[in-house]
Amino acid sequence: QVQLQESGPGLVKPSETLSLTCTVSGGSVNSYYWSWVRQPPGKGLEWIGNVYHGGNTNYNSSLKSRLTISVDTSENKFSLRLTSVTAADTAVYYCAKFVGDWFDVWGRGILVSVSA
Amino acid sequence: QSLLTQPPSVSGAPGQRVSISCTGSSSNVGAGYDVHWYQQLPGKAPKLLISENTNRPSGVPDRFSGSKSGTSASLAISGLQADDEADYYCQSYDSSLSGAVFGGGTKLTVL
Repeated sequence: QVQLQESGPGLVKPSETLSLTCTVSGGSVNSYYWSWVRQPPGKGLEWIGNVYHGGNTNYNSSLKSRLTISVDTSENKFSLRLTSVTAADTAVYYCAKFVGDWFDVWGRGILVSVSA
Repeated sequence: QSLLTQPPSVSGAPGQRVSISCTGSSSNVGAGYDVHWYQQLPGKAPKLLISENTNRPSGVPDRFSGSKSGTSASLAISGLQADDEADYYCQSYDSSLSGAVFGGGTKLTVL
């Protein structure tokens, strides 16, 4: 079965760019939609956006101006890039497989802190 | 403020049955979009519990059940166990946002 693993820096400076990668194993990224969801410390879940293997994307409108989600079919992974980060972007970031209109497989999550 | 409203907390004794509500609007649940439920154990990633209002993925005990009516949905947990203590989130699609939306989450305490 599909497994997902997030990777990237755990600390990003304010105004800089947050970049994360999700590696897909046990399945091919050439199927389904792939998603990012985040959870600020002690708070609820927030959908960030989706990408399909063909490159089509769908973003949360509150993040759209700063957000890029892309897929790399050759390396079976997908990525998130969020620019001009502030402390409000501090969160655990999860990658997930999106099927139908729900998330059926989740990564373990990675905590990203925004601090100088 | 979430587009899907859940009670912040519920509690029950072992063996009892509890229910968690998820109230939406005409742009999400009321528009006919399905509701899905996730269980998040402390310090862990969310796990799919119920998809498409009522469907349990393989491996989810039948103590967990979902329902939907109008602009609301519910998750019921019967025969409460200590390891059911977790945060539970509902999720749907919202046409005004053109994307997924989550409820604010409900913390279940097993007394």
